[in-house]
Amino acid sequence: GAVVSQHPSWVICKSGTSVKIECRSLDFQATTMFWYRQFPKQSLMLMATSNEGSKATYEQGVEKDKFLINHASLTLSTLTVTSAHPEDSSFYICSALGALGGRYNEQFFGPGTRLTVL
Amino acid sequence: AQSVAQPEDQVNVAEGNPLTVKCTYSVSGNPYLFWYVQYPNRGLQFLLKYITGDNLVKGSYGFEAEFNKSQTSFHLKKPSALVSDSALYFCAVRGAKGTLTFGKGTMLLVSP
Repeated sequence: GAVVSQHPSWVICKSGTSVKIECRSLDFQATTMFWYRQFPKQSLMLMATSNEGSKATYEQGVEKDKFLINHASLTLSTLTVTSAHPEDSSFYICSALGALGGRYNEQFFGPGTRLTVL
Repeated sequence: AQSVAQPEDQVNVAEGNPLTVKCTYSVSGNPYLFWYVQYPNRGLQFLLKYITGDNLVKGSYGFEAEFNKSQTSFHLKKPSALVSDSALYFCAVRGAKGTLTFGKGTMLLVSP
């Protein structure tokens, strides 16, 4: 239980193109999902909180027009990196907030998506 | 605002020896503390958490952590390290609305 998937696991794109990353909770419903960014050998930085049916809440310094988040259902949130540039290259990790068994209101993490922008 | 400090960038230990990965925290109110492990190019795997109750928390893969309120610490421990324990370890504290604040991470290297 408590499985979160991400697709794709890795993507290489040209500068100026847009890339969509999907985050799915496979066996539970998640009204809240989180998107993190991780640079090599660094910690996870919260980018935004995604709430089903409403607008995402972005952390300070994160451009909402560049990192579009959609949480259209209780099991799916998407992050679209628009007009990607090489500095957007990073490891993007999502998590889903769920109640599963004894682990109530806990974040379950996806495996991450490696984005490389050429 | 809450914060987490992991003072060691890297911890080296020989296989079979005990290991400790340090974590201190700062939070208003009762702390909800977590340890996660990350293998290369992978997401985070949950190890254990402290919500309330016993100060010694037992988790996955033989890991445990000791909550010390007076020292605001939540150190991760294991009695006997394995080479396969080599990975990046993150301590985290939960804030409002379920958000997590992570420490910078500590790389654990277990030598054969």
